[in-house]
Order: sequence, then structure tokens, then C-alpha cells
Amino acid sequence: QITLKESGPTLVKPTQTLTLTCTFSGFSLTTSREGVGWIRQPPGKALEWLALIYWDDDKRYSPSLKSRLTITKDTSTPQVVLTMTNMDPVDTATYYCAHRIYGDDAKSFDYWGQGIQVTVSS
Amino acid sequence: DIVMTQSPDSLAVSLGERATINCRSSQSVLYSSNNKNYLAWYQQKPGQPPKLLIYWSSTRESGVPGRFSGSGSGTDFTLTISSLQAEDVAVYYCQQYYSAPYTFGQGTKLEIK
Repeated sequence: QITLKESGPTLVKPTQTLTLTCTFSGFSLTTSREGVGWIRQPPGKALEWLALIYWDDDKRYSPSLKSRLTITKDTSTPQVVLTMTNMDPVDTATYYCAHRIYGDDAKSFDYWGQGIQVTVSS
Repeated sequence: DIVMTQSPDSLAVSLGERATINCRSSQSVLYSSNNKNYLAWYQQKPGQPPKLLIYWSSTRESGVPGRFSGSGSGTDFTLTISSLQAEDVAVYYCQQYYSAPYTFGQGTKLEIK
């Protein structure tokens, strides 16, 4: 059974760096084709894909946010960490991590965490 | 970027009636080598994460009721709920996973009439 859970600060100040952790179970990022992505959702708005990392350390980023994002994995814990620099009030959102498999038979994001609500305010 | 556009933005349907949501992509999400459309549909209820309903434009995820179906190819797709149940009230999103960035539609809010 695959589960994911997000953790991190729920309140950050403008210009600060946000660090979110996704702790997962039921799969391993040492196994071929496994991946974890991050998606966010501002209050009352649509979903926005942010970043994705695969078992082989292949990383993908949203072009509009690429300069501010870094995604890394720690296979020993196992966790995936997303950092976002220079936070702004418009980055206030619920941040989700989700599981995805790489390859032609991918389903897109099939398992999701419950999300963590992050507010950016001074 | 591939832009995903859903219609309508909101929809009210009577219980037991059919609900239809449309999604259009700004370019084809059909992968020619395997003839699969990399288009997914999600259901999101208030306070919950999205739930994958449909992938490859028409394949139901395990456990999803048979009243949910997806169709379409290339750039035009449809999610149909054949007989609306009270528990289907939610926001529905389409998403392309053909190429990064993996963009979502703006969502369609489905309510009971």
C-alpha cells in the first residue's frame, strides 16, 4: 500500500525559503521507474504541477518556477524534499506530493498525500 | 507549455442524470508510438487531495465506479458520469502528462440541481 505525507512549516515570511518534505512508504526510489512529484493549489484555485524526481535522479521542473525550485531525494529515509526560494504571498497554497511511475504505461499521479497548507505572510 | 481548457466551469445536474465535462488541450497528447493519450481525470472533494479517476483518457483507475467514463483523443476529451450520485459532487480536473510541465485544467465544479 502506497502512502505519502507532507511535512514542513505552515507559515513562512516573504523572501524566506520554504523546505517541504514528503515521506513515503509502499515503494522505493531505488526501484526502476518510480517517481515523486509536487503539486500545489492556492485557496479556491486550480492545481499547479511544480516538480518531479525519478529513481535515476532525473528531475523535471515547472519552467515558470524553475529558478526557485530544487527537488532532491533521500532513499535511506525515504523522503523527497522540495525547496522553494524567495517566497511571496502568492505562493500561499496547499502543497501536495504524489507518486508517479515513469514510462509509456504511466498513469500520471496515482497516489497523493493529504497536503500541507502553507501561508506566506509577514 | 500545453494549455488545458475545461468546459463548463460549473455544472448542475439532477440526481440520476448524466453529467458531461469537456477538456481541450492546446496540442495533441496522443503518443504515436503506442497510440495512447496521456490525459488523466481527477476528482477533488472539499478538504481532500485529488483522486485519480481515469488515465490514458479512458481507462478507469482500480476501484472507480463504472458510471465514470472517459473518451476522446488527440486534443479533445470528455469525462462522463452516466448517472449522477450525491457523492459525485466535487471539482473535476483534467491533466496532460504527455510532456512537462504536466498541466492541469482550471477545474469544473459539479453540483446537484
